[in-house]
Amino acid sequence: AQTVTQSQPEMSVQEAETVTLSCTYDTSESNYYLFWYKQPPSRQMILVIRQEAYKQQNATENRFSVNFQKAAKSFSLKISDSQLGDTAMYFCAFMKDYTGTASKLTFGTGTRLQVTL
Amino acid sequence: KAGVTQTPRYLIKTRGQQVTLSCSPISGHRSVSWYQQTPGQGLQFLFEYFSETQRNKGNFPGRFSGRQFSNSRSEMNVSTLELGDSALYLCASSLDRRLNEKLFFGSGTQLSVL
Repeated sequence: AQTVTQSQPEMSVQEAETVTLSCTYDTSESNYYLFWYKQPPSRQMILVIRQEAYKQQNATENRFSVNFQKAAKSFSLKISDSQLGDTAMYFCAFMKDYTGTASKLTFGTGTRLQVTL
Repeated sequence: KAGVTQTPRYLIKTRGQQVTLSCSPISGHRSVSWYQQTPGQGLQFLFEYFSETQRNKGNFPGRFSGRQFSNSRSEMNVSTLELGDSALYLCASSLDRRLNEKLFFGSGTQLSVL
């Protein structure tokens, strides 16, 4: 079974600064996907970024980028130029690479990020 | 295009009752997944439906069930409610899980069991 660990329950960053959220995972699979989801107070889970394990290049989406270290099973999220709207719970998630069958997300416990003025 | 719609947003039930939650996926999406979110257990996968068939199921008792209709709308039912069933229930849709498409989540239904 896969496990996802987020060791930082809470983090704080000042507006316009950069913050990195950590995530490690454990799996015996060779092909899989990793995700960062954001859950603001509205409770809706919003996809921030996705990384395919077979791709060596780190994914980026505007101010969000990841540092994917496959051998170390590490998948951290960097938020640059933090904005007040980034305040939310952030979840790291893992998904097996199925072909022809169903798949599911395994989530970490989350990191609560507070962006301050 | 409208997002994933879950109804109702809030629900209060008492122990022993049953409840039905509804999820309307994004138009054109054929896969619907359900997740339970609690402070203690975090986010846990319940089940997934594709073309009216359950394709995967998490480790939940048989009191938790679901179904999907021909228009891809999905419902989940919890019978004989227990206090521990109090949670945020999230629904997610995607075009086709086999292609590992991105999941789009709704805002959830907050269920309180008294």
